[in-house]
Amino acid sequence: EPEVTQTPSHQVTQMGQEVILRCVPISNHLYFYWYRQILGQKVEFLVSFYNNEISEKSEIFDDQFSVERPDGSNFTLKIRSTKLEDSAMYFCASSGDPTGKGGYTFGSGTRLTVV
Amino acid sequence: QKEVEQNSGPLSVPEGAIASLNCTYSDRGSQSFFWYRQYSGKSPELIMSIYSNGDKEDGRFTAQLNKASQYVSLLIRDSQPSDSATYLCAVNMYGQNFVFGPGTRLSVLP
Repeated sequence: EPEVTQTPSHQVTQMGQEVILRCVPISNHLYFYWYRQILGQKVEFLVSFYNNEISEKSEIFDDQFSVERPDGSNFTLKIRSTKLEDSAMYFCASSGDPTGKGGYTFGSGTRLTVV
Repeated sequence: QKEVEQNSGPLSVPEGAIASLNCTYSDRGSQSFFWYRQYSGKSPELIMSIYSNGDKEDGRFTAQLNKASQYVSLLIRDSQPSDSATYLCAVNMYGQNFVFGPGTRLSVLP
């Protein structure tokens, strides 16, 4: 079964540092997403991406965050100047359906710990 | 504010019983509804999707949707200990993204 691959599985970083979380979506999917889940809390939407552009973003996705598809396979989330409250599981997801009706396939996640 | 609410649980059922999980949503115009299962420390895994009023069955799982009541549920028949997980209701309220509920933790007791 096709998978969404995320690396690293766990990232520890010092407050104020920049981190890049990487994702390889399913190869024939065109719609990509980042969600996050703070420990014990809801899964929250960050951003959706299609055709090399951000389609939608939430209030969480402020100037500290950016996304990029640097090549034909990778999809990255950059967090600049990390804060303690950025500690969370970050999930990448992809979909072949522009309406989202088919549901997403989530990657296994990156646990970000900001110390 | 677009909200999805679920019974917080935990919900405990004996092995072999039916587990019933409920979800309500705030946006009457929502069109697509999903149930995800999430084991502790893992990513959400899609179990069921439903778009039309009524029931949709897939193996031991049945999703039920009532758009007039803004209510969606998941029934798990013949519950197994391996079904013990947190079940997330997700609603596609606008655009492509989903609003997730807080999840209901299910414990199936052997």
